[in-house]
Amino acid sequence: GQQVMQIPQYQHVQEGEDFTTYCNSSTTLSNIQWYKQRPGGHPVFLIQLVKSGEVKKQKRLTFQFGEAKKNSSLHITATQTTDVGTYFCAGPYNQGGKLIFGQGTELSVKP
Amino acid sequence: DTAVSQTPKYLVTQMGNDKSIKCEQNLGHDTMYWYKQDSKKFLKIMFSYNNKELIINETVPNRFSPKSPDKAHLNLHINSLELGDSAVYFCASSHRQGNNEQFFGPGTRLTVL
Repeated sequence: GQQVMQIPQYQHVQEGEDFTTYCNSSTTLSNIQWYKQRPGGHPVFLIQLVKSGEVKKQKRLTFQFGEAKKNSSLHITATQTTDVGTYFCAGPYNQGGKLIFGQGTELSVKP
Repeated sequence: DTAVSQTPKYLVTQMGNDKSIKCEQNLGHDTMYWYKQDSKKFLKIMFSYNNKELIINETVPNRFSPKSPDKAHLNLHINSLELGDSAVYFCASSHRQGNNEQFFGPGTRLTVL
């Protein structure tokens, strides 16, 4: 079945360092979504990428969708303690609205 | 003004008991979901309803039965609870099926003793 793999599983950084998480799908995706879950919280939608090669920015966050629409990345520049949490990518599986989530990357930021 | 709400937030119960979790959304969405998040934070979809109709039914034990009385509510009833059912259960909703962003509820942390 369709799989969405995400690496790394954990990332510990010093405040001010950059951070990147990578997402790979076993199949071509119509779009990819990114969510952030703060410790003890619930997943919150960040962004959706639809076009091949698309790049979108949200302040210090840069999201990319691969040319083949099978991989994606989230890059955070100059991390802050408020960036702490688990970042999930998710891709839709068929038209039923089913999202396949990656395993998540848990980011911790040391002040 | 909560968009997606769940009750209860915490649920501690004994093995073998039956329990229910309720979910309501006031976003006007017509699709609702139940997810299970295990201790390793892996999020897995369990069920999806669109306009009260069951759309997605993953490989979930028959002890789990969702019910959608209307498109703003999706409840989850669990019979004969087992230790392995301990997890955080998230309700979510979206506008239409397909490729739309999903809005998650705050979660229900279920602990089975």
